[in-house]
Amino acid sequence: DVKVTQSSRYLVKRTGEKVFLECVQDMDHENMFWYRQDPGLGLRLIYFSYDVKMKEKGDIPEGYSVSREKKERFSLILESASTNQTSMYLCASISSGTWNEQYFGPGTRLTVT
Amino acid sequence: AQSVAQPEDQVNVAEGNPLTVKCTYSVSGNPYLFWYVQYPNRGLQFLLKYITGDNLVKGSYGFEAEFNKSQTSFHLKKPSALVSDSALYFCAVRDSPTGRRALTFGSGTRLQVQP
Repeated sequence: DVKVTQSSRYLVKRTGEKVFLECVQDMDHENMFWYRQDPGLGLRLIYFSYDVKMKEKGDIPEGYSVSREKKERFSLILESASTNQTSMYLCASISSGTWNEQYFGPGTRLTVT
Repeated sequence: AQSVAQPEDQVNVAEGNPLTVKCTYSVSGNPYLFWYVQYPNRGLQFLLKYITGDNLVKGSYGFEAEFNKSQTSFHLKKPSALVSDSALYFCAVRDSPTGRRALTFGSGTRLQVQP
């Protein structure tokens, strides 16, 4: 079974802190994604990566950056956390097979105070 | 740009009754449609997908979905609901087999099955 793991289930940070969220997948998938989930808004794409060191902005990249130094690991960075970044963050991965479904991690619920 | 609409925030159904969770989509090319389910404090789990072929797609846990091109809909159905089906359901779409493999999600529908 594909496994996507995220470093923390719950995280509480202060405004202005630099925050790292990590995601690891064990199926050698080329493509990885970071979404945020907010009530009534569904999931929105922050960033994605289709290869090591490659990244592209999603629909809401402002205030975030990403890093992919190894194929299995995709990190989301909040450079200076703000209260409006309080959310559930979900990581996903997918192989390069055209129509495979995405596999999701359990999510990290981040609270910025 | 592609988009997905889930017009109902919540659907309530009695256990044993049929259920429908609605989804409509908008894409410029051919639609490739997915349903995911999220249980409390969990990530999303894949239920089923429509790529091509038969308009009725069968998936996990007894769920199925019907693709209707003329109505641009992809409603999720189950003949007999279980209390354990209570969860948050997301419809998602892609419009291209290449390029960005990210999905566009609807806002989600909470399904509540009463015993």
